[in-house]
Amino acid sequence: QVQLVQSGAEVKKPGASVKVSCKASGYSFTSYGISWVRQAPGQGLEWMGWISPYNDDTRHAQNFQGRVTMTTDTSTTTAYMELRGLTSDDTAVYYCARDADSGWYSKAYWGQGTLVTVSS
Amino acid sequence: QSALTQPASVSGSPGQSITFSCTGTSSDVGTYDLVSWYQQHPGKPPKLVIYEVTKRPSGVSDRFSGSRSGNTASLTLSGLQAEDEADYYCCSYAGSRNLVFGGGTRLTVL
Repeated sequence: QVQLVQSGAEVKKPGASVKVSCKASGYSFTSYGISWVRQAPGQGLEWMGWISPYNDDTRHAQNFQGRVTMTTDTSTTTAYMELRGLTSDDTAVYYCARDADSGWYSKAYWGQGTLVTVSS
Repeated sequence: QSALTQPASVSGSPGQSITFSCTGTSSDVGTYDLVSWYQQHPGKPPKLVIYEVTKRPSGVSDRFSGSRSGNTASLTLSGLQAEDEADYYCCSYAGSRNLVFGGGTRLTVL
């Protein structure tokens, strides 16, 4: 069965960077893209960007241009999201999500989420 | 990219039908047949319940249905049950390789 297992919770200081991993299994890793979506405490979902493990094509939300880097490692079927220049506003649960069969516009499978806390 | 507009909360009694609205613009909801809906229970990741405006993924209850009129998409949940109490989010393709979510609607089952 399709599984996305994310790395554990992180605590970072303002100005630091964080790198979250998402280990995929149960499907052909290069056949589906991975999106990153975050959710601040008590808030809604925010799409951050998308990467294709097939050819490393990426799409970024305007809010995160220049501050987020998404990568994949096909040898370990793992996707990564690095966010730089952290502020308290970046405190959130970060999810990875796999494309649905219908395309990248829908997310059929989600990781369990990684809580990133930014605090001095 | 502005978030899609959803009412903050709705409520209904068991057995009733509830409709969630999601208002965008002619640059997203109104142009593309690429609206998805997600259900999220507290502390859990979202679950896809509708994609491409009206389609239901395999395994999702047929109590969920989707539609669109102009710049507003809607999710209807019929035969309300206690387990349906959750947050519901819409999401649309917004052109230029972008996706945008709504702010979410909290459903309370009375």
